[in-house]
Amino acid sequence: GAGVSQSPSNKVTEKGKDVELRCDPISGHTALYWYRQRLGQGLEFLIYFQGNSAPDKSGLPSDRFSAERTGESVSTLTIQRTQQEDSAVYLCASSRTSASTDTQYFGPGTRLTVL
Amino acid sequence: AQSVAQPEDQVNVAEGNPLTVKCTYSVSGNPYLFWYVQYPNRGLQFLLKYITGDNLVKGSYGFEAEFNKSQTSFHLKKPSALVSDSALYFCAVSREAGYSTLTFGKGTMLLVSP
Repeated sequence: GAGVSQSPSNKVTEKGKDVELRCDPISGHTALYWYRQRLGQGLEFLIYFQGNSAPDKSGLPSDRFSAERTGESVSTLTIQRTQQEDSAVYLCASSRTSASTDTQYFGPGTRLTVL
Repeated sequence: AQSVAQPEDQVNVAEGNPLTVKCTYSVSGNPYLFWYVQYPNRGLQFLLKYITGDNLVKGSYGFEAEFNKSQTSFHLKKPSALVSDSALYFCAVSREAGYSTLTFGKGTMLLVSP
């Protein structure tokens, strides 16, 4: 079946502009996660959605970052007034449930470059 | 807070030789441990996970990992490396209670030479 998809695959923007990144999870997966991968670093957790519950935003690095999810489908991550330190690969993952034992399946990522 | 350490930035091995990529963790309660692989310009692919039971877990592409509770380790192994195994490997942990969010190590680049 189809995996997690993300768009765009690459995004180049100028400092100060807003960007919107999209994630389509695997159909039927109730949990959705956003992570950030900086060059040479591991993945940093950003935000987590589970069904219709309030999202866990504890990993968002600043109030310039926000995310939404429509039900159990598409999610968008928005970065306002982008800064050069926002340059990274943004990865989305989904899992069947939010149980700690469930495998998270990752999309290919969006590479964001802020000039 | 939970954490994962991958002490080697890079591991070099010749094709056909066994490989080991090391991972240690720190978590309160019982750990759930995962290995992922990332090929260039690709997302992370799931390899295997340890939840409970047998300490030796077998996964995709001939990889296996051994959970060692006393040493808080979860090293990734393969008996015979392939050049195509060259990639970036990430170890991750989640914990039994509450959170499903994964905490990742910084990754280990595996280079298999012909």
